[in-house]
Amino acid sequence: QKEVEQNSGPLSVPEGAIASLNCTYSDRGSQSFFWYRQYSGKSPELIMSIYSNGDKEDGRFTAQLNKASQYVSLLIRDSQPSDSATYLCASIRGGGYQKVTFGTGTKLQVIP
Amino acid sequence: EAQVTQNPRYLITVTGKKLTVTCSQNMNHEYMSWYRQDPGLGLRQIYYSMNVEVTDKGDVPEGYKVSRKEKRNFPLILESPSPNQTSLYFCASRGGTSSYNEQFFGPGTRLTVL
Repeated sequence: QKEVEQNSGPLSVPEGAIASLNCTYSDRGSQSFFWYRQYSGKSPELIMSIYSNGDKEDGRFTAQLNKASQYVSLLIRDSQPSDSATYLCASIRGGGYQKVTFGTGTKLQVIP
Repeated sequence: EAQVTQNPRYLITVTGKKLTVTCSQNMNHEYMSWYRQDPGLGLRQIYYSMNVEVTDKGDVPEGYKVSRKEKRNFPLILESPSPNQTSLYFCASRGGTSSYNEQFFGPGTRLTVL
């Protein structure tokens, strides 16, 4: 079992719709969670970070964390063609353990 | 401008020829890390460093070496590259060792080993 799992997609949504991206993790010691966006051939860029159970909103993006279910999600409202990219979920264990684990990413396609 | 730089950006080499990929950050970050990215496997951590002279293995350290003699630099060394090390490599840095700190990535180095 992979430590961080994501559906590889592609996930296709029409422009203006809500895109829902999901991630599950197996390490209960995971403390921090991050969503990155990566365009083809480019470096990942941070979209959202979340540490506590519940929702965190930033503009069109909402991250959701449920530690009991070991589940993290990212909602993108009013999806735009420019949102078409691969979205990476990452987790970091707490304390002095600093290994970062990434999922394999979900490819999102926003259809104009 | 705050940034992580990597050099070279593209490199084609032959099996067994030692190479070094440099990484430098100007944000005074304590934590630095190297990743490789392969299709279907995602980003995998090779090595990380929590401070000068402190390094530790990630998920795929075999065939790689690192050193952290200065806070700003974290070179990745391939002593005897092999074709299975053909990949896209990213260096990253993070301000502080708290798990809450954001990680910044360099632009990537595309390595081909023939």
